[in-house]
Amino acid sequence: DTGVSQDPRHKITKRGQNVTFRCDPISEHNRLYWYRQTLGQGPEFLTYFQNEAQLEKSRLLSDRFSAERPKGSFSTLEIQRTEQGDSAMYLCASSLEGGTNYGYTFGSGTRLTVV
Amino acid sequence: LAKTTQPISMDSYEGQEVNITCSHNNIATNDYITWYQQFPSQGPRFIIQGYKTKVTNEVASLFIPADRKSSTLSLPRVSLSDTAVYYCLVGDIYAGNNRKLIWGLGTSLAVNP
Repeated sequence: DTGVSQDPRHKITKRGQNVTFRCDPISEHNRLYWYRQTLGQGPEFLTYFQNEAQLEKSRLLSDRFSAERPKGSFSTLEIQRTEQGDSAMYLCASSLEGGTNYGYTFGSGTRLTVV
Repeated sequence: LAKTTQPISMDSYEGQEVNITCSHNNIATNDYITWYQQFPSQGPRFIIQGYKTKVTNEVASLFIPADRKSSTLSLPRVSLSDTAVYYCLVGDIYAGNNRKLIWGLGTSLAVNP
């Protein structure tokens, strides 16, 4: 297992376009999280899955954002009608249910630039 | 939710020991303290986690006093590659509420030659 993988690493899009990011968690991890991080700030929680169920969504996740995790494996995060304010690093993390002594495992992120 | 306070930035030199202190006055009984390291354009990486007293691994040590209202991450003999942002987080890792952990601004550590 090579850890949490995110694709693409970088995405440049024009305002108004739709974008989709993919996250492949560590295979035995049943929890998956999406975070957003802007320059100079810590990560902000967006949403959380346990297996295929999306159990919580942050108020940051407007109706232009949607996330899925079919079959409890990989996850996708889609942003519709992108705005310049969506420019950020989008981070995916996974962990084991029941807590872990090793915290989250994060991917390297997808850096989105909306022009 | 316990919030944390850390210095915004620190400077050090290669070979020195670096201690980063985090305040968490409102820590709850079931809360653990976790530290992450983040390099530019990468996701955060777990460093160390503890509940009380002292925890040591191959990378760092974590010192937690009896009242648990603060914690200190100790990095022995830092090198240039330790230049990164270090985050201190507090939360109940066994309640499944990891998602509610609040990430602050972290401490930006610069190691100079």
